[in-house]
Amino acid sequence: GDQVEQSPSALSLHEGTGSALRCNFTTTMRAVQWFRKNSRGSLINLFYLASGTKENGRLKSAFDSKERYSTLHIRDAQLEDSGTYFCAARNNNAGAKLTFGGGTRLTVRP
Amino acid sequence: EAAVTQSPRSKVAVTGGKVTLSCHQTNNHDYMYWYRQDTGHGLRLIHYSYVADSTEKGDIPDGYKASRPSQENFSLILELASLSQTAVYFCASSDLGVSNERLFFGHGTKLSVL
Repeated sequence: GDQVEQSPSALSLHEGTGSALRCNFTTTMRAVQWFRKNSRGSLINLFYLASGTKENGRLKSAFDSKERYSTLHIRDAQLEDSGTYFCAARNNNAGAKLTFGGGTRLTVRP
Repeated sequence: EAAVTQSPRSKVAVTGGKVTLSCHQTNNHDYMYWYRQDTGHGLRLIHYSYVADSTEKGDIPDGYKASRPSQENFSLILELASLSQTAVYFCASSDLGVSNERLFFGHGTKLSVL
């Protein structure tokens, strides 16, 4: 079945630095979402992309359906960015099916 | 291969009726979760469980009950379904361990309450 491979599974950054999370898809997806898990377990929506790139503050996401990947870039990381980030993608078939990556646990250190 | 299976894949229910969504995992995980997603939004945690025969309230538990009869199975129950409960519901599991937040999700159940 459809798979979403998210990497890295864990990431440690110093404050002020940046990095990228990546999700690779085994099939063509028509949209991707990026979430961040809050302290109470809910997944807060960060981005929804059907193509191209979106930017919000220090976060930027890109989605290439043809090349089967999406990225989430974090720049100037702050301590409060620590947490777990998930991508999820919807395939080209109609319906509710979302396939999730396994998550990236980000730790930002002083 | 680890798997989280939800059933049904979609359901249409009538207002005031009872709905049960089922989730089965073969990951041997202790934690299981039920989330709902409203169109274009994130996933909000309804209930979760860290051990069989015990459930905990998440962010939005009102109108929902949960049941964890075994480690493998976790059900979400809507005793009196309402229009506002139309959404896509996701089940997930994870390992026991505070530091391990990797979640394994089912593919979702689309619930329409009419």
